[in-house]
Amino acid sequence: KNQVEQSPQSLIILEGKNCTLQCNYTVSPFSNLRWYKQDTGRGPVSLTIMTFSENTKSNGRYTATLDADTKQSSLHITASQLSDSASYICVVSAGAYGNNRLAFGKGNQVVVIP
Amino acid sequence: DTEVTQTPKHLVMGMTNKKSLKCEQHMGHRAMYWYKQKAKKPPELMFVYSYEKLSINESVPSRFSPECPNSSLLNLHLHALQPEDSALYLCASSQEGFGGTGVGNTIYFGEGSWLTVV
Repeated sequence: KNQVEQSPQSLIILEGKNCTLQCNYTVSPFSNLRWYKQDTGRGPVSLTIMTFSENTKSNGRYTATLDADTKQSSLHITASQLSDSASYICVVSAGAYGNNRLAFGKGNQVVVIP
Repeated sequence: DTEVTQTPKHLVMGMTNKKSLKCEQHMGHRAMYWYKQKAKKPPELMFVYSYEKLSINESVPSRFSPECPNSSLLNLHLHALQPEDSALYLCASSQEGFGGTGVGNTIYFGEGSWLTVV
């Protein structure tokens, strides 16, 4: 069973609109949670990283939230742009292995249309 | 400079060829990684080097052979690959060595090397 589940699997939104991506995880013990953006055919780029004590973190138009009690995270994209079309990957680190062994979600595929 | 540089960007090789993928970072990071990513799938960890020593080998077939000549370089030597090995190979690095639990230990990925085995 995948330890990191993301939803929706894919999403089409109009340019300028907002959207929210969800990540549920069962990884334990929890160390931190990251969101990456991966454009097609390119390496992932880090957007945010949060520990259990952080509830929210922003990076420009991207805002990530974390509820360590319910083991849920979300990534909110505000005023979407065409360049936001990408796969958004939720990655959770297990504390036993530090930050080096990561559990990857399968990604949320976002397509922004004009 | 927050770059992880991978070469070549694209590689086509036959099943009897020997080739290498190269990765370089100049951020002073102590851990370097190889990941394999198939289309529409998340990256899968292959190897972790920490302080230039192999820390993790995720039961990768011996036709993939990693090498870490120094703290800035990581190679992946390829020999007798199969068509199913065709994928995007991602190199990554992080500031702390294996086992590091620092909050700021972001893992930086390279752009990847597209490998096609024919």
